Amino acid sequence: AQSVTQLDSHVSVSEGTPVLLRCNYSSSYSPSLFWYVQHPNKGLQLLLKYTSAATLVKGINGFEAEFKKSETSFHLTKPSAHMSDAAEYFCVVSKGGKLIFGQGTELSVKP
Amino acid sequence: DSGVTQTPKHLITATGQRVTLRCSPRSGDLSVYWYQQSLDQGLQFLIQYYNGEERAKGNILERFSAQQFPDLHSELNLSSLELGDSALYFCASSPPADTGELFFGEGSRLTVL
Repeated sequence: AQSVTQLDSHVSVSEGTPVLLRCNYSSSYSPSLFWYVQHPNKGLQLLLKYTSAATLVKGINGFEAEFKKSETSFHLTKPSAHMSDAAEYFCVVSKGGKLIFGQGTELSVKP
Repeated sequence: DSGVTQTPKHLITATGQRVTLRCSPRSGDLSVYWYQQSLDQGLQFLIQYYNGEERAKGNILERFSAQQFPDLHSELNLSSLELGDSALYFCASSPPADTGELFFGEGSRLTVL
């Protein structure tokens, strides 16, 4: 069965420093993987998606993620955090047309 | 703005009551999904409709029901409400070509007192 595990429930970084949000997946076949972001009091928005093309996926707002099959990981990174990046981030796997969400990682950005 | 509209944004009601949440998908999208987000359960898939027909079912309670109308808007009905039903309910839609991307509304926050 497909599932995702987000390894950190909360990550805190300083503005201008790199961001790393970790996600491991389990899937019986090559999965479709996504990262969604939820800003406070807002709906979720797609950041990026992996669908078996390039293993390094670039998304919006400078985020990118690398699919590593050997490690069953799909970690989200950004070279330099901005205050506006403070939000909750969800790693998601697609199963039968429906999305299975991880528990979320709350990113805090300190000035 | 995702193009998905949900009403009401906030709703406060009492235990035992019934409420209806409404969702209008993006223009051209045939699929509608309902999700429940709570602090203890996270984001849980409830149900999906495609062009008026139920397509997939998730962790939806028997007290809850949904439907998608011919104009493609959808309603989620929650009845015999309990305190634990307090949550943020999201609607999402997706285009006919299955890209896996969902477009989410801003949610309806339900508080059961």
